[in-house]
Amino acid sequence: KAGVTQTPRYLIKTRGQQVTLSCSPISGHRSVSWYQQTPGQGLQFLFEYFSETQRNKGNFPGRFSGRQFSNSRSEMNVSTLELGDSALYLCASSLAMGSETQYFGPGTRLLVL
Amino acid sequence: DQQVKQNSPSLSVQEGRISILNCDYTNSMFDYFLWYKKYPAEGPTFLISISSIKDKNEDGRFTVFLNKSAKHLSLHIVPSQPGDSAVYFCAARDGYSTLTFGKGTMLLVSP
Repeated sequence: KAGVTQTPRYLIKTRGQQVTLSCSPISGHRSVSWYQQTPGQGLQFLFEYFSETQRNKGNFPGRFSGRQFSNSRSEMNVSTLELGDSALYLCASSLAMGSETQYFGPGTRLLVL
Repeated sequence: DQQVKQNSPSLSVQEGRISILNCDYTNSMFDYFLWYKKYPAEGPTFLISISSIKDKNEDGRFTVFLNKSAKHLSLHIVPSQPGDSAVYFCAARDGYSTLTFGKGTMLLVSP
């Protein structure tokens, strides 16, 4: 069974631009969560989607948004990029909300110049 | 407010010895705890978990202990191997809530 895939793997943008990251969950998994990892900050939760609806949201500004499609694939968008948005963005999938284990993709490393 | 804390940013252990990684939490509603391992340039990989109704869970070389009264859990790796060198994240959830992660502990196992 294929794992969680994320595209692109690496991205360089400049301040003020916007970016869209994509995540394809494990087949059969319907819940997708997004996390931001920065040095020394661990993984900070962005949002969780299930059945095309955002179910939970972390403490991030409105510049961060996402969506989920009917095939459970998910995208996250960051508008008006700031230098501090440089991070590894991780997507995780699970069978359903509240599932015991989340399985992570390799992440998209975003660098904002 | 950090609800899951990993107070040791790094840990160095010799091959063959025991590695003990610690995690403290403040939210008494957490009822499920997980450990993830992360290599550079890869996403975290699920390692082992424990429900709050248990105090120990074992899987091969990995054992997780939970002390609910102290709000503390630990991951024991015995024996440690150089391939275990990675960043280890402790995570917790409360019912259907999302996972809350600690900041991670970098484990270095030297030959």
